Amino acid sequence: QVTLRESGPALLKPTQTLTLTCTFSGFSLSTSGICVSWIRQSPGKALEWLARIDWDGDKYYSTSLKTRLTVSKDSSNNQVVLTMTNMDPVDTATYYCARYAAVVGSNNCEAYFDYWGLGTLVTVSS
Amino acid sequence: SFELTQPPSVSVSPGQTARITCSGDAVTKQYVYWYQQKPGQAPVLVIYKDTERPSGIPERLSGSSSGTTVTLTISGVQAEDEADYYCQSADTSGTSVFGGGTKLTVL
Repeated sequence: QVTLRESGPALLKPTQTLTLTCTFSGFSLSTSGICVSWIRQSPGKALEWLARIDWDGDKYYSTSLKTRLTVSKDSSNNQVVLTMTNMDPVDTATYYCARYAAVVGSNNCEAYFDYWGLGTLVTVSS
Repeated sequence: SFELTQPPSVSVSPGQTARITCSGDAVTKQYVYWYQQKPGQAPVLVIYKDTERPSGIPERLSGSSSGTTVTLTISGVQAEDEADYYCQSADTSGTSVFGGGTKLTVL
């Protein structure tokens, strides 16, 4: 059974750095073809893709946010960590981690998400 | 980067057919995926690779593609289909993008 769970601070002040952890089970990020992403959703707004990390350590970032984002993995503890620097009230959102669907026998993951965490709401306010 | 465009809202009466479109140049080059999101919940995949339906998704949800537009069709709409729907695609560089979302209202 695949599960993902996001954790991190609920409230941050402007300019602070956000660190979120995605703890997952039911799969391993050491397995070829496994990839995990971070996605956020501001209140009442659309989903926004942020970053991705692959089983082999490859990383991809949103063009508009890449200077502020870092994604890393701790495969032994089944965790993916996202950091976002210089937080602003406009970054207030629910942050989700999600797994890309795996392709059996391939080193590449699919381009869509088959499992999502429940999300964690992060509010940025002074 | 690339963009996916969706209508902000679609309204239909129960039993009618709802069509939600997703358009953009990327649609002609990459597959599109559809997610359903109900209030307070995480998105759920309902269509993958333009037309494929995951197990457990009702047959009344279907996907199609024509030119620069892909369409999510919900036939015989039910009250439980009221939700936000998002299309998503990915480019060859490894990044993904979501459409702006469409709120489906069942009248």
